[in-house]
Amino acid sequence: EVHLVESGGGLVKRGDSLRLSCAASGFTFSSFSMNWVRQAPGKGLEWVSTISASTGTYIYYADSLRGRFTISRDNSKNSLYLQMNSLSAEDTAVYFCARGPEGSGLSVFDYWGQGALVTVSS
Amino acid sequence: SYELTQPPSVSVSPGQTASVTCSGDKLGDKYVHWYQQKPGQSPVLVIYQDNKRPSGIPERFSGSNSGNTATLTISGTQPMDEADYFCQAWDSSTAIFGGGTKLTVL
Repeated sequence: EVHLVESGGGLVKRGDSLRLSCAASGFTFSSFSMNWVRQAPGKGLEWVSTISASTGTYIYYADSLRGRFTISRDNSKNSLYLQMNSLSAEDTAVYFCARGPEGSGLSVFDYWGQGALVTVSS
Repeated sequence: SYELTQPPSVSVSPGQTASVTCSGDKLGDKYVHWYQQKPGQSPVLVIYQDNKRPSGIPERFSGSNSGNTATLTISGTQPMDEADYFCQAWDSSTAIFGGGTKLTVL
């Protein structure tokens, strides 16, 4: 069974940095692209970033976040990461880890974690 | 930038058919995926690549995509189907989500 568990969320101050982790199990992690999607309180889903399978050669970011957020993966630990810098109140959201397709394609998010809440205070 | 437009809300009576639309420029040229999200829960994939159902998703969920509109159809809607539904597609290496539709079953 596919299982994704996010961690690292919490309350931070404006301008702070935070690193989210996503522990994966139940599938061959290295074979699948992985994603971060966020949801501000009471709002819709917003895609954050995608990293391709294996060595993560292909990385994509939402235009509004490029330069502040960095996605990475460690296949030896079956883990996905999101480094978030210069946080602002607009980054307050639940951050979901979601599995993508095998390889480097851009397609569906077929499994989602339970989410990690990040709250940025001003 | 590319946008996907959904109606904010749709209401349906139990047992009837619910249709949730998602509109975007030449959307029929792209694959559309649909996610269901109940309050306090993570999204769940209900339709992928326009009209395919993941294992475990009831047959009453179906999808179509043509022209500028994709449609999620729920036949014989049940109270448990009450949720927010989001469409999603890719454009220029960017994942786009629709704003979401709250489906009310009453």
